[in-house]
Amino acid sequence: NAGVTQTPKFQVLKTGQSMTLQCAQDMNHEYMSWYRQDPGMGLRLIHYSVGAGITDQGEVPNGYNVSRSTTEDFPLRLLSAAPSQTSVYFCASRRAGASTDTQYFGPGTRLTVL
Amino acid sequence: LAKTTQPISMDSYEGQEVNITCSHNNIATNDYITWYQQFPSQGPRFIIQGYKTKVTNEVASLFIPADRKSSTLSLPRVSLSDTAVYYCLVGPYSGGGADGLTFGKGTHLIIQP
Repeated sequence: NAGVTQTPKFQVLKTGQSMTLQCAQDMNHEYMSWYRQDPGMGLRLIHYSVGAGITDQGEVPNGYNVSRSTTEDFPLRLLSAAPSQTSVYFCASRRAGASTDTQYFGPGTRLTVL
Repeated sequence: LAKTTQPISMDSYEGQEVNITCSHNNIATNDYITWYQQFPSQGPRFIIQGYKTKVTNEVASLFIPADRKSSTLSLPRVSLSDTAVYYCLVGPYSGGGADGLTFGKGTHLIIQP
């Protein structure tokens, strides 16, 4: 199993550009989430999904969209990038029925918005 | 979710046992205690989880007193590679619903030679 994979690893955008961060998992996990981590901070939940076709907002959803058309993929879209979205983004997945906290994280995408 | 408090940073030396304590005074009856480890430029990694008393795996031990208002992560005989940020999380065992994990700032553990 590759686990949770994320692409790209690094990305630089200009203010106002849009892009999609990709996340995929091959563990057949029902639950997937996106977090952002800013320097010296913990992780903050952006959006999550409890299954294909179902998504919901987390703590900091503004400026981001998600969709879940398949169990495996959970892309995160930045509609119009802003410097405040400069951060490291982590995708995570877990089994339904597992404890809330037993998640598997991807390696992260480091995004810089100029 | 119950709020947690843990030290911002700790130092130790190779070969020592390191204990990181987390306070969670408002822990609920159905809450579990989970610890994650994060190395620089990597995503967090699950270390250990427990509900009460003591849990041990190949990586660490977790001690939880009877009142469950705190917990201690114990790392035996640390090495330089244990330098990382350690997060304590408290939340319910859940088969569904919101995936509302709250990561605090964690404890930055620095191991010296």
